[in-house]
Amino acid sequence: SQTIHQWPATLVQPVGSPLSLECTVEGTSNPNLYWYRQAAGRGLQLLFYSVGIGQISSEVPQNLSASRPQDRQFILSSKKLLLSDSGFYLCAWSVMGAGGEAFFGQGTRLTVV
Amino acid sequence: AQSVSQHNHHVILSEAASLELGCNYSYGGTVNLFWYVQYPGQHLQLLLKYFSGDPLVKGIKGFEAEFIKSKFSFNLRKPSVQWSDTAEYFCAVSRHSGGGADGLTFGKGTHLIIQP
Repeated sequence: SQTIHQWPATLVQPVGSPLSLECTVEGTSNPNLYWYRQAAGRGLQLLFYSVGIGQISSEVPQNLSASRPQDRQFILSSKKLLLSDSGFYLCAWSVMGAGGEAFFGQGTRLTVV
Repeated sequence: AQSVSQHNHHVILSEAASLELGCNYSYGGTVNLFWYVQYPGQHLQLLLKYFSGDPLVKGIKGFEAEFIKSKFSFNLRKPSVQWSDTAEYFCAVSRHSGGGADGLTFGKGTHLIIQP
């Protein structure tokens, strides 16, 4: 069966520090991969998606970037964190051509102080 | 671009009451529709989905939803709620073209509290 791993679960980082959140999927090949941010009362906002290695699409201009160095690995990064980057970050995957049904990781609670 | 609107941000019901959560979307093309649920301390999981065919779809745990194309709506229903249904509920859509690869657009969510 397929599983998705996302770490760390919680992270407290100072303003101006770098960020690297990692997500890996097991049990499937060539998944679509996604990073979402969940803010209280605002639902989930799609940040990045990837349909293949090295292919990244950004939905919202921001202080963050994403990379997909391997088929089942998706990384969310920032060179310098801002206070506004605080939030709950979710990684997700879907099967190519399956209509967009997504499977979510446990999420990372990021607090920038 | 598509958008999703959920009418109720907070709903409080007693056990055995009937539930209906509203969801409307805005998009000029064909969409796939989803309801996700997030129980306290757990990850987001799929309740039900609609791609095509019978507009009344049944999901897990006794939930169902009806797609009304003319109203751009996909309301979630359950005849009798239980305390364990306390959770955050999200309506979402994906673009039918491209197989939904470009991700989901979510509503802001409805926080449902069931009182015993």
